[in-house]
Amino acid sequence: GNSVTQMEGPVTLSEEAFLTINCTYTATGYPSLFWYVQYPGEGLQLLLKATKADDKGSNKGFEATYRKETTSFHLEKGSVQVSDSAVYFCALRTTQGAQKLVFGQGTRLTINP
Amino acid sequence: GAVVSQHPSWVICKSGTSVKIECRSLDFQATTMFWYRQFPKQSLMLMATSNEGSKATYEQGVEKDKFLINHASLTLSTLTVTSAHPEDSSFYICSARDLLAGVVTQYFGPGTRLLVL
Repeated sequence: GNSVTQMEGPVTLSEEAFLTINCTYTATGYPSLFWYVQYPGEGLQLLLKATKADDKGSNKGFEATYRKETTSFHLEKGSVQVSDSAVYFCALRTTQGAQKLVFGQGTRLTINP
Repeated sequence: GAVVSQHPSWVICKSGTSVKIECRSLDFQATTMFWYRQFPKQSLMLMATSNEGSKATYEQGVEKDKFLINHASLTLSTLTVTSAHPEDSSFYICSARDLLAGVVTQYFGPGTRLLVL
């Protein structure tokens, strides 16, 4: 079946540190991959996505590359800010059938000034 | 951007009572809405998919008579937890799918925290 495994949190970094949150997936076919972010008290928001192998999604300084050979979609940011503190979810969506989103368990990120 | 609202944001109820949670798409029409459940420090688990005007499709292991879903219009879906028990305490999140110019985008509500005493 389809599944997503994320790096366990919580992750605590200092401001301006480099961030990596690992995400690997198992899927039949060629899914689309997503990173969602959930700020305190808010709903999940789409952060970035990639729909095919070698695509790079980017937004707000975050990047993730769809790596088919390693079935990974790691999230990176070169210099984090306090405002990046949130919970991050990796997800996949199959391109066939019901096209449901399958989420990883989420990684709580805290950035200290 | 598109916004999905949920009401109430949190609710406390006695065991055996029923609780209704509303999910609205505020500036777009959603032919498909989803209901998720999230346990502490765990992932979002899809409970059911609802399409406007038709019966919801429930995921394996989700009791349809326990979690009643009504997608009455293109902007409103409701989840009713019937005869709630403490094990139903959880964080419930709805999501609405927008299809614009062939691009599928899924927007999420802020969630409803349910505590059953």
